[in-house]
Amino acid sequence: GAVVSQHPSRVICKSGTSVKIECRSLDFQATTMFWYRQFPKQSLMLMATSNEGSKATYEQGVEKDKFLINHASLTLSTLTVTSAHPEDSSFYICKTGVSTEAFFGQGTRLTVV
Amino acid sequence: GDSVTQMEGPVTLSEEAFLTINCTYTATGYPSLFWYVQYPGEGLQLLLKATKADDKGSNKGFEATYRKETTSFHLEKGSVQVSDSAVYFCALTNQGGKLIFGQGTELSVKP
Repeated sequence: GAVVSQHPSRVICKSGTSVKIECRSLDFQATTMFWYRQFPKQSLMLMATSNEGSKATYEQGVEKDKFLINHASLTLSTLTVTSAHPEDSSFYICKTGVSTEAFFGQGTRLTVV
Repeated sequence: GDSVTQMEGPVTLSEEAFLTINCTYTATGYPSLFWYVQYPGEGLQLLLKATKADDKGSNKGFEATYRKETTSFHLEKGSVQVSDSAVYFCALTNQGGKLIFGQGTELSVKP
């Protein structure tokens, strides 16, 4: 099946800095990429949906200026957490594929100190 | 809107015990239903799925049946192993590929 490679798997950054997370679709044309966030002991919550070549659609309550999503090609989507704060510490994971065949990245554990 | 509710964890079982993790959903139309598993430190993996009423998904000894009359998709396994320790997520998707997850149930299997 299709493989989605997400990196970094873990990152620790200082408060106020920005962090970029990449998701690459290795053998699949990812027209749409979904970005999820998972806080400890909670479920995954959809943050935004990106379509190749167009602006991302953000879920209610997600700041689009803080979580910048770029989906410039069919094989690469990036999420940049700008001016990170400790409350942004979470597990971020990307997903692509059709409704009955989803392919997840391995996830990125972000810790902001 | 659409939602998924799972039984709360953590669930702690002894090896070879019977497992049930309850999942119910609320959705318009005819969603597809999924169980995902997340092992410690890893991303989610699809465990099984069912796309229409009365379908039974199965994989690695786990089973779940799509029950439209009770809007349920309970996960079962007859004999759990220590290696099954993980967090299990019930999810549905309706249109457009948007997955809606339950809150997850942590399973801990003791030898």
